[in-house]
Amino acid sequence: KAGVTQTPRYLIKTRGQQVTLSCSPISGHRSVSWYQQTPGQGLQFLFEYFSETQRNKGNFPGRFSGRQFSNSRSEMNVSTLELGDSALYLCASSLGGYFYEQYFGPGTRLTVT
Amino acid sequence: SQELEQSPQSLIVQEGKNLTINCTSSKTLYGLYWYKQKYGEGLIFLMMLQKGGEEKSHEKITAKLDEKKQQSSLHITASQPSHAGIYLCGALNTNAGKSTFGDGTTLTVKP
Repeated sequence: KAGVTQTPRYLIKTRGQQVTLSCSPISGHRSVSWYQQTPGQGLQFLFEYFSETQRNKGNFPGRFSGRQFSNSRSEMNVSTLELGDSALYLCASSLGGYFYEQYFGPGTRLTVT
Repeated sequence: SQELEQSPQSLIVQEGKNLTINCTSSKTLYGLYWYKQKYGEGLIFLMMLQKGGEEKSHEKITAKLDEKKQQSSLHITASQPSHAGIYLCGALNTNAGKSTFGDGTTLTVKP
């Protein structure tokens, strides 16, 4: 079974630009969660999508948004990039229930200059 | 919000030695995950614990959940260089339906 895939793996953007990151979950998984990981803040929850609906949201500004498609693939968008948005963005997929195991992708390393 | 505190923050051990990493929650634990991460890469799922007293093993790694203490411990027996990495615990907060993670424990195993 293929694992969680994320594209692109690396990205360099300029302040003020916007970026879209993609996540393909494990086949059969309906839940996709997004996390931001930085040295200072650690791993922080952004949001979770289940069956194309945002089910949970973390404490991030509205510049961070996402969506999920009918095939469970998910995209995350960050508008008006700031230097502080530089981070490793990870997505995780699970079957969908609260106690199902989450499997993470390799991440997208975003650098904002 | 639920916070997870991991100890120690970093650990250097000689190959072959045993070690323990702890994860303590500020609130009731409904489920706890252990992951391993190589720097800059994704998280590798190790195991999930759901019930108090539950103990699971994955190769030479064993984890236990103590509900009363709101704590989990990860124990590695006869450590190897391949065990090196960052170990993170994550807790599922069913009130919010989202996971929170500890800051991680960086393990170095000297050959």
